Amino acid sequence: GAVVSQHPSWVICKSGTSVKIECRSLDFQATTMFWYRQFPKQSLMLMATSNEGSKATYEQGVEKDKFLINHASLTLSTLTVTSAHPEDSSFYICSARDAAGVGGYTFGSGTRLTVV
Amino acid sequence: AQSVAQPEDQVNVAEGNPLTVKCTYSVSGNPYLFWYVQYPNRGLQFLLKYITGDNLVKGSYGFEAEFNKSQTSFHLKKPSALVSDSALYFCAVRSWTNNNDMRFGAGTRLTVKP
Repeated sequence: GAVVSQHPSWVICKSGTSVKIECRSLDFQATTMFWYRQFPKQSLMLMATSNEGSKATYEQGVEKDKFLINHASLTLSTLTVTSAHPEDSSFYICSARDAAGVGGYTFGSGTRLTVV
Repeated sequence: AQSVAQPEDQVNVAEGNPLTVKCTYSVSGNPYLFWYVQYPNRGLQFLLKYITGDNLVKGSYGFEAEFNKSQTSFHLKKPSALVSDSALYFCAVRSWTNNNDMRFGAGTRLTVKP
C-alpha cells in the first residue's frame, strides 16, 4: 500500500535555530500533502496544505513566515520551522493524497520537535 | 463546513468485551468518513472508511463501523476487545473545500483492561 516516510522522527534544537522536517511519498506521487500539528492529548490541527509546484495554503492563525513549506516534487514536501521557540515544541505529522485523490490519505509517522 | 465530534474522551472496556467508540458528523453533501488509530509518538494508521455503499464497513484488525445517516453517526465497533487495541482513536471527515483536507475529531482514548 501507499507509504509516507517522515524524517526525522524526533529532533531537539536550540531556541532561535531552524529545523527542517521531510515528508516523502515512497510509492506514489502526491500532488497534495498536508501538515498537521498535534499538542499532547489533543487532536490534529491542520496547519497548511502543500501543493506541488505552487505556494502552500495556510490555515488561519498559522504564520507562513515561521512555518515554511516547500513541495518541489511530487514525492517530497518539507516543513521548516524557522527561529524555533519552546512554544513550537509539538508533534508534527504530514499526510499525502495520491493523484487519484479518492478516499483517505496516508500519514507519516510524525516528528517530535523539542525546542530548548 | 465539515466536522466530526467524538463525545467521549475516554472509553474503558474489559478484554474480550465488545467496544464502541462514538462519532457523529456534520457535513454538507455526501460524507467521506474515516477512522484512524494512533499509538504513542506515532503517526495515524488507517482503520476504515465509508465513501458509499454498504452502511456497515469492515476494516483492519477486526474493527468495523456503521454509517447511520438518520443519526449522522459513524461509530467504531469491535466484537471482542484486545489489550493491544488500547490507543487513541480519531474519527475524521474529508472536507469539501478546495484543499479536500481531513478534519479530525478530538480523539477518544480507548483502554482495554485485561
